[in-house]
Formats: sequence, C-alpha cells, structure tokens
Amino acid sequence: DADVTQTPRNRITKTGKRIMLECSQTKGHDRMYWYRQDPGLGLRLIYYSFDVKDINKGEISDGYSVSRQAQAKFSLSLESAIPNQTALYFCATSARGDYGYTFGSGTRLTVV
Amino acid sequence: GEDVEQSLFLSVREGDSSVINCTYTDSSSTYLYWYKQEPGAGLQLLTYIFSNMDMKQDQRLTVLLNKKDKHLSLRIADTQTGDSAIYFCAPEAGGGGNKLTFGTGTQLKVEL
Repeated sequence: DADVTQTPRNRITKTGKRIMLECSQTKGHDRMYWYRQDPGLGLRLIYYSFDVKDINKGEISDGYSVSRQAQAKFSLSLESAIPNQTALYFCATSARGDYGYTFGSGTRLTVV
Repeated sequence: GEDVEQSLFLSVREGDSSVINCTYTDSSSTYLYWYKQEPGAGLQLLTYIFSNMDMKQDQRLTVLLNKKDKHLSLRIADTQTGDSAIYFCAPEAGGGGNKLTFGTGTQLKVEL
C-alpha cells in the first residue's frame, strides 16, 4: 500500500457542486499539505497542517477549506466548485526534522 | 514570500548531460530539494543539498549551489530516456518549519 493515499484519483464534477478530496497516510508524519498543480505554474500551496489542531492557509486558499480529522487524515473541500479549480491536486506529508515531503499520487479534478 | 524560477523545457539527446537550473529569492533557505515527477505520478524526492554546501554528488546526479547568486542546478550525467520527466526545485523556507516552495518545474525530454 502507498504511504500517502489520495482518493479519488480522478473526478469530474459540475460547477457549483461541493466536492471533497481525501488524503490518508501511514508514514506517521505530523505535517500534511495540500497543493494544486497547473501547467507552467508549478505547485502552489493551498493549506497545510502541522498537527491536528493547527491548520494554516497557504498562498491560494480562497474557495477551499480543509479538515484534519486525525493525524493520518487531511481532506480538502471545494464548497462550490468552479471551472478554474480544474487542476491536479496533491497531498504531501512531512515530519519535523525529516528531509522533504512524501507525496500522494494526486487527484485529477475537472470542473465542467 | 519566496519566488522560485525555472525554465519550462529542456531537450537533450540520450547519453548527453542535462543541466536544470533554478533561481530563488529567500537567502535563508536551509535545505534545497530536487523532485522528479513522471507522467501520471506524484513527486518523488531525488536529492537535496544543505545550504552550507556548494556541491553534492549522488551517482549520476550533481547538485550545485551558489548561495551568493541564489542559484541551484541539477546535472544529470549520461541522461537516459527514463529520465524524461518534470523536475522541480524546492527550497525550504528559512527558519525551518519544513515549508517548501516549488518552482514552475522543468520538463526534460530525452531524445534518441
């Protein structure tokens, strides 16, 4: 099983719908992150959490919300999806004192 | 916040060396990472360098760091078709905290 699992892998949804992307990890890491990837823009940070009670906005949090249900679970919600939220979304984890992040395989979201 | 710049594309012939460049703005970055993203996959940590080093070699990979110019490069020797991927530069924010800022990514295409 993957260390960081994202579900679903692919999703097509309609404008205005609420959608949740889920991330779970077996690394035992305390820190979790949500990024979106757009061609030519790299990865941009949406939200991050350094522990269950610590949630922080990243550079592009508007239109998104998150929930850290447990140390191992971090979900990203789009309250009312819009077409420019069409992107590849990645969850990542890290541990204090560790090197770099571990990434999930991504969720490809299309909003029509 | 940190700005991280990379060229979008690089094309090389199989067997040649590839050099992927990155410039960043936060002079207090502690660790600087290189990630590789293969088609349809998440990002994998390739290598990293600590800010007090000028060079790090890891098999076919050589990382060079010029702190004065805030320039990081990744050299891949004897480039193979399996090296075709997107490569991301990701400095860690100064002061620790584990936060990475990702560059736009460089798509490396290896031609026969």
